[in-house]
Amino acid sequence: GENVEQHPSTLSVQEGDSAVIKCTYSDSASNYFPWYKQELGKRPQLIIDIRSNVGEKKDQRIAVTLNKTAKHFSLHITETQPEDSAVYFCAAHYHQFYFGTGTSLTVIP
Amino acid sequence: GAGVSQTPSNKVTEKGKYVELRCDPISGHTALYWYRQSLGQGPEFLIYFQGTGAADDSGLPNDRFFAVRPEGSVSTLKIQRTERGDSAVYLCASSLGSVSYNEQFFGPGTRLTVL
Repeated sequence: GENVEQHPSTLSVQEGDSAVIKCTYSDSASNYFPWYKQELGKRPQLIIDIRSNVGEKKDQRIAVTLNKTAKHFSLHITETQPEDSAVYFCAAHYHQFYFGTGTSLTVIP
Repeated sequence: GAGVSQTPSNKVTEKGKYVELRCDPISGHTALYWYRQSLGQGPEFLIYFQGTGAADDSGLPNDRFFAVRPEGSVSTLKIQRTERGDSAVYLCASSLGSVSYNEQFFGPGTRLTVL
């Protein structure tokens, strides 16, 4: 089955700096890659997603890039704010959703 | 409108007991997913329903776990002879249909503790 790896597991950045989280997947048949933000004790919420026929997608301060050849995709957050602090999960979809192990992002004011 | 709801929010049980966890998806959502999330981990897929039928139950860890969705809306995850290793947050999610890029909306989860 699919295997999704996510790095780093923890990330601290100064407010205003950028944060990058990277994921790799193993099954070239995976065709949809969502990113979720999960605050402590709350449910995961979709923040951005990308389909396999697109290389990059941007939504305000958040962007996702996909390299199908290398089987990796990344989340980019620019101009980070303290409220961006949370755990972020990547996922890959082929028949079912496979999630990464999460990145705990801390934005230091 | 109402989002995905799950009951109970917390469940404490003793080893060997039977538990049922309920999920109410968003009205009109035909796809429903169950996940298990342990501390510090991502959601782990358990089972996926499209309508009333289980389209993929390959994530159920063993035959102690079973899920139903008899009318294509509410779903119940059933765990028999609970073990301490079953302790986790059980998340339910629903989406409009079976197309992969239909956004999944998660419920708040049920925190199961097996003593």
